[in-house]
Amino acid sequence: DAMVIQNPRYQVTQFGKPVTLSCSQTLNHNVMYWYQQKSSQAPKLLFHYYDKDFNNEADTPDNFQSRRPNTSFCFLDIRSPGLGDAAMYLCATSRENADTQYFGPGTRLTVL
Amino acid sequence: KNEVEQSPQNLTAQEGEFITINCSYSVGISALHWLQQHPGGGIVSLFMLSSGKKKHGRLIATINIQEKHSSLHITASHPRDSAVYICAVTPGNQFYFGTGTSLTVIP
Repeated sequence: DAMVIQNPRYQVTQFGKPVTLSCSQTLNHNVMYWYQQKSSQAPKLLFHYYDKDFNNEADTPDNFQSRRPNTSFCFLDIRSPGLGDAAMYLCATSRENADTQYFGPGTRLTVL
Repeated sequence: KNEVEQSPQNLTAQEGEFITINCSYSVGISALHWLQQHPGGGIVSLFMLSSGKKKHGRLIATINIQEKHSSLHITASHPRDSAVYICAVTPGNQFYFGTGTSLTVIP
C-alpha cells in the first residue's frame, strides 16, 4: 500500500561522513522532491526532478546532491554532513509540477 | 518577507469547536495546497485548490484569488485533528510553504 517509501527512517552519521538517503515511489509520478525540515519550521525545498531533469533551488548548499537513476528511485547524498544538517528529510512525489504532492514518512538524520 | 503567511501560529480549541486557519500569500499562483503533519509523522495533502471551495468530511478549504487569501475550516473538531496545518502555494514549478499552524484540540 505504501506509495512513497523512505529508507532508513532514522539515520545517524558522524560529522563529515558521507550519507545517502533513499526514496522510492510506486505511483509512477514524474516529479520527485527532496525537502529538509528542521524542528518547528516549514519544509524547505532542496531540489526536485521532473523525470530526469534536475532542478536545484538557488540556496541549496553544494554539500547536498541528488540522483534519480530511474522513475521509481531518488537519492539524497550529503557529502560532508555538518551539525547543522541534522533534520528531517522528506521525499515527495507529484504527477506533474505543482500537482498534489504525496509525501514519504521522512528520514530523521542525526549528526554526531 | 515570506511569500506565505499563516495565522494563527498556535491554536488551542475545545473538542467540538469550529476552527479556522488563515493563509495569505503575496505571489501569483497556479494552486494552493493545505497539508497536515502529525507530530513525528509524515505530511498528508488535504486539499489542492485554485478557486472556490472544497469539502472533505469535516474539513472545508476556501480560496479568494483576488484577495490572495485562503482559509481552512474544521467543523466539530476532535482531538485527532491535533496537528500542524501547512499552507503552500505553487507559482509555476516552485513550492512556497507557510510556517504552519499548530493546532491542539482538547477533549
